[in-house]
Amino acid sequence: GAGVSQSPRYKVTKRGQDVTLRCDPISSHATLYWYQQALGQGPEFLTYFNYEAQPDKSGLPSDRFSAERPEGSISTLTIQRTEQRDSAMYRCASSLGGTGRETQYFGPGTRLLVL
Amino acid sequence: GIQVEQSPPDLILQEGANSTLRCNFSDSVNNLQWFHQNPWGQLINLFYIPSGTKQNGRLSATTVATERYSLLYISSSQTTDSGVYFCAVGRDKLVFGAGTILRVKS
Repeated sequence: GAGVSQSPRYKVTKRGQDVTLRCDPISSHATLYWYQQALGQGPEFLTYFNYEAQPDKSGLPSDRFSAERPEGSISTLTIQRTEQRDSAMYRCASSLGGTGRETQYFGPGTRLLVL
Repeated sequence: GIQVEQSPPDLILQEGANSTLRCNFSDSVNNLQWFHQNPWGQLINLFYIPSGTKQNGRLSATTVATERYSLLYISSSQTTDSGVYFCAVGRDKLVFGAGTILRVKS
């Protein structure tokens, strides 16, 4: 697509439920990133993919968080057994190559509220 | 890990005024981007500028990589410039600063 798209844009869930967020990167972009942004703060890195490979998962806060990109295009971020502290904006970004020396383009984000 | 400091933390301007936002970072990087987060939460790319100077309309940015800082200049500010300005740096993943909250009054 022309830009990075994310769905849903808003998600309200109850504590303990699982949620899955989706990111569709810019066409032909090899690298895809996930960030978490708490209210009033800057985004924080969660994980990234270079095509299907996931070289860095160091930012995932716990083993309740997982991400996949099985065909090297669309990615999903799943949070199991959600907790109130998971409430945040989840942002996806993509870049053309995998060198880190390119612009990262961000999607509109998914705002997650855990009640 | 890399540390990023932005200043000032917040800024109030009268429409038409100029401003300079600063970003200091603690290590060498190969990516530095400036973003504007508007009041609707969109994160908009302003510049990809790991070194050198760029200009886009009323905005310009300069990064001095050897001294590990970057500056974002906003000239003739407008109310639509309000929002949060983030500097982000890194070698692959981006590390964001805490942002500068800018409010432009008409």
